[in-house]
Amino acid sequence: SQTIHQWPATLVQPVGSPLSLECTVEGTSNPNLYWYRQAAGRGLQLLFYSVGIGQISSEVPQNLSASRPQDRQFILSSKKLLLSDSGFYLCAWSVQTASGNTIYFGEGSWLTVV
Amino acid sequence: EDQVTQSPEALRLQEGESSSLNCSYTVSGLRGLFWYRQDPGKGPEFLFTLYSAGEEKEKERLKATLTKKESFLHITAPKPEDSATYLCAVRRTYKYIFGTGTRLKVLA
Repeated sequence: SQTIHQWPATLVQPVGSPLSLECTVEGTSNPNLYWYRQAAGRGLQLLFYSVGIGQISSEVPQNLSASRPQDRQFILSSKKLLLSDSGFYLCAWSVQTASGNTIYFGEGSWLTVV
Repeated sequence: EDQVTQSPEALRLQEGESSSLNCSYTVSGLRGLFWYRQDPGKGPEFLFTLYSAGEEKEKERLKATLTKKESFLHITAPKPEDSATYLCAVRRTYKYIFGTGTRLKVLA
């Protein structure tokens, strides 16, 4: 069965510091990968998605970036965090099957920028 | 512009009091409508996928239905453990667009 791992689960970072969140998927190959952010009381905002190694599509211009160095690894980065980057970050994956194409989420990473 | 709107924003029910959550959408080239349950501090948990108008799916006390403009999540005789935020999403090509959710609280 497929699983998704996301870390770290919680982090507190000062303004201006760098960020690296990692996500790996197991049990499938060539998944579509996603980074979402969920602000308090708001819906999920799509930040980046990737349909293959090295292929990154950005949905929201900001100081975040994403990379996909391996088929099942997705990394969210920032060189200098802003207060507004605080939130709940979710990695997700999907893959086309005979029964459809559903997106599945990791447990999330809480980021507080202070 | 693709859009997903969920209502109500919040809902309080007594245990056993059935109700429905609404998800209305505007998207060109719909390729699936999805329902998720999200507990506080957790990632969303997949519930249902619907692909065509008239389709229905059930799981325990939950039943999801789909029309050309909206979807309903019916909750029959809810229990306190059904308390959570319920999210609706639509898929368009590679993108999944989410609504802001309905926060459900079921009182014992």
